[in-house]
Amino acid sequence: AQSVTQPDIHITVSEGASLELRCNYSYGATPYLFWYVQSPGQGLQLLLKYFSGDTLVQGIKGFEAEFKRSQSSFNLRKPSVHWSDAAEYFCAVGTLTGGGNKLTFGTGTQLKVEL
Amino acid sequence: DARVTQTPRHKVTEMGQEVTMRCQPILGHNTVFWYRQTMMQGLELLAYFRNRAPLDDSGMPKDRFSAEMPDATLATLKIQPSEPRDSAVYFCASGLVRGPGNTYEQYFGPGTRLTVT
Repeated sequence: AQSVTQPDIHITVSEGASLELRCNYSYGATPYLFWYVQSPGQGLQLLLKYFSGDTLVQGIKGFEAEFKRSQSSFNLRKPSVHWSDAAEYFCAVGTLTGGGNKLTFGTGTQLKVEL
Repeated sequence: DARVTQTPRHKVTEMGQEVTMRCQPILGHNTVFWYRQTMMQGLELLAYFRNRAPLDDSGMPKDRFSAEMPDATLATLKIQPSEPRDSAVYFCASGLVRGPGNTYEQYFGPGTRLTVT
């Protein structure tokens, strides 16, 4: 069965500093990988996705992520964090089963931005 | 700007009452998902539909939960009777499958925050 691990429950960075959120997945086939962001009281917004091709993918709000098959990782990065980036970030792996695309989410990383 | 909508946004009810949550997927999307989010369990998939037919509801407690799609623009999740342990945020998401074996992204609604007292 597939699984996603986000080892950091909380991360605090200063505004303007760089950010890397870690994500490791376990899945036997080619993974479809996603990063979502959730602001307080809101739903999940898709930041970026990896289906195939270039292993460095660009997303919205200046985020990018790199798929590394050898490390089973899909870490999220941003070169300069803004205070508005404070939110919870979820990594997910999508699996094609029975024609469906089920998402398995990690437990999330809560990002705090210090001004 | 196409969005998934959910109603109600907040619901407080007493144990034993019936709760119905509604979701309007993005127009043209053919797949709908129901998730539950709690502090303890995180995000759990309850059920999902393709072209209004249920594909998987293995994540849903069958004795009290039911999910349906009366038409392509409406998905419902019912709990009867509700229990305090059902308190959570329930999210609906939709997506468009373009062909067999194709993956796609899911777009989430704002959620229904349910409190059962």
